Amino acid sequence: KQEVTQIPAALSVPEGENLVLNCSFTDSAIYNLQWFRQDPGKGLTSLLLIQSSQREQTSGRLNASLDKSSGRSTLYIAASQPGDSATYLCAVNNAGNMLTFGGGTRLMVKP
Amino acid sequence: SAVISQKPSRDICQRGTSLTIQCQVDSQVTMMFWYRQQPGQSLTLIATANQGSEATYESGFVIDKFPISRPNLTFSTLTVSNMSPEDSSIYLCSVVGLAGVTRENEQFFGPGTRLTVL
Repeated sequence: KQEVTQIPAALSVPEGENLVLNCSFTDSAIYNLQWFRQDPGKGLTSLLLIQSSQREQTSGRLNASLDKSSGRSTLYIAASQPGDSATYLCAVNNAGNMLTFGGGTRLMVKP
Repeated sequence: SAVISQKPSRDICQRGTSLTIQCQVDSQVTMMFWYRQQPGQSLTLIATANQGSEATYESGFVIDKFPISRPNLTFSTLTVSNMSPEDSSIYLCSVVGLAGVTRENEQFFGPGTRLTVL
């Protein structure tokens, strides 16, 4: 059974810092990995999707990497802003598009 | 981009009653799913909503408690039956296969339904 872990569980940084969020998974036989953002009381916004054959994806200030063999993904956020404050969720697709989610990282960026 | 809507957005219900949550997509999709997010927790998959046939449930979830319908390619319902306070959660639908999405198998979520059971 796939298990997904996110570290750290919470993170507070001053505005402008570059930061890295970590995601690890136990079963490396994945189809893809997706990073989401969730604002309090809201649904999920898709940030980046990395296919199993890819090593990284970039969107604006966000860069996600995937090392399937070691069961790890990182989400890099450059020049963080207060508007980046949210919970970031990593989700792994093993088969059939059924996602297994990590516990999330709650990010607070202070002005 | 396609719009995924859920109704109701929130509700407060009494123990023992049932609530039906609707998920509507403004374009046809390949797959639809229902997830639960308990307070302070991450998301857990309840079931895959299959068009024209019975849903496929994950371990720990049963049809009698969470009946699901998917009559067509744009609409699904989840019913939470005989509710107890432990059912208080956010319920989210998700879809795969939106038209115009270039990233294969990218999953998109509705805004969620926040359910409180007293």
